[in-house]
Amino acid sequence: GQNIDQPTEMTATEGAIVQINCTYQTSGFNGLFWYQQHAGEAPTFLSYNVLDGLEEKGRFSSFLSRSKGYSYLLLKELQMKDSASYLCAVLDSNYQLIWGAGTKLIIKP
Amino acid sequence: IAGITQAPTSQILAAGRRMTLRCTQDMRHNAMYWYRQDLGLGLRLIHYSNTAGTTGKGEVPDGYSVSRANTDDFPLTLASAVPSQTSVYFCASSDSRGHNEQFFGPGTRLTVL
Repeated sequence: GQNIDQPTEMTATEGAIVQINCTYQTSGFNGLFWYQQHAGEAPTFLSYNVLDGLEEKGRFSSFLSRSKGYSYLLLKELQMKDSASYLCAVLDSNYQLIWGAGTKLIIKP
Repeated sequence: IAGITQAPTSQILAAGRRMTLRCTQDMRHNAMYWYRQDLGLGLRLIHYSNTAGTTGKGEVPDGYSVSRANTDDFPLTLASAVPSQTSVYFCASSDSRGHNEQFFGPGTRLTVL
């Protein structure tokens, strides 16, 4: 079967750095997405990786290792507004997105 | 309209009733999707449409139907609602199915009693 694993919940301190991991086992791979979802709101796009390596976008970076079936989202200089769920999703061989359950990130002052 | 809209925002429905959730986008995106999101589970694809006039089944299509008569609209119908269909429903669209980011509507919170 297809599986995306992420930690259920993480806690970090304002101003710090946090890394949210995602491991996947899917039938084929055509890219990996990260989305942010604030409570009660819709998911919004953060990043897309299809090649190995690190993609940096402001305070957020996303890393991919296809051989290890692994990705992480790195958030720097955490702000209270970063409190949200972070969703990892993999595009499989049928170009269907397989979603993880999400990681709820709690930021403390 | 700016982006993608859904209606209603929330609904309480008696089991056995028929219900249509509406979704409209103004971005001229070819692909559209319906997901359900349940606590502790990832988003699950119900149905999708690659382009106007075509639809396909996702991971959890049973009990749901869709149509795509034009580019902008993608309604989701529950023919006879059951309590297990209580969920938050998100409509999304993308330029094409695949590598492009998906834009999500605000969601419909549906409770079936």
